[in-house]
Amino acid sequence: SSELTQDPAVSVALGQTVRITCQGDSLRSYYASWYRQKPGQAPVLVIYGKNNRPSGIPDRFSGSSSGNTASLTITGAQAEDEADYYCNSRDTSGNHGWVFGGGTKLTVL
Amino acid sequence: QLQLQESGPGLVKPSETLSLTCTVSGGSINSYTYYWGWIRQPPGKGLEWIGSIYYSGSTYYNPSLKSRVTISVDTSKNQFSLKLSSVTAADTAVYYCARYGSTLYSWFDPWGQGTLVTVSS
Repeated sequence: SSELTQDPAVSVALGQTVRITCQGDSLRSYYASWYRQKPGQAPVLVIYGKNNRPSGIPDRFSGSSSGNTASLTITGAQAEDEADYYCNSRDTSGNHGWVFGGGTKLTVL
Repeated sequence: QLQLQESGPGLVKPSETLSLTCTVSGGSINSYTYYWGWIRQPPGKGLEWIGSIYYSGSTYYNPSLKSRVTISVDTSKNQFSLKLSSVTAADTAVYYCARYGSTLYSWFDPWGQGTLVTVSS
């Protein structure tokens, strides 16, 4: 089955821009979706499709993709953006499956 | 607004079967537009897709769990359920239910709040 690889941890200074990446073969065929998870809470969708934000997600969140790598960019990171971020895509193994990245812990300094 | 809510025992003994139900409100589970999935997260670890079901009853499972997982749907109650047999401590996790679209490019949204299931004697 497919795998998605994320850096375990990333930090960013308050107000600066940070990019969180996700690598995997499935990303050559499918868009990644991105989820934010704060401690003790369920994941929340922040980016889906080519680069779409659900209602209520600030426009400082954006997504992009190239080859086997998808990226989530936060432009002007805020303290409330500190969380775990997970990427996700369909599995290319053909069993209608899904795969998640291992998650990236974002610290806002 | 669509909402999902997991329910079931919070404690299961080793070798027994874990059973959870996801109740959907604010929309119908009986839709050709969506699939319904289960995802779990062991304490301090990442997310793992367990399996999914379509309103018709078609199921799709993670190969690593397939031999132990059964997902079913009850459209009359607007619910779908998860059974995981022969559990061990490694199955201790927060279990989430979520919806995703039936198109090729889709995503999980919304999610239930999650329910912690601990496997212990």
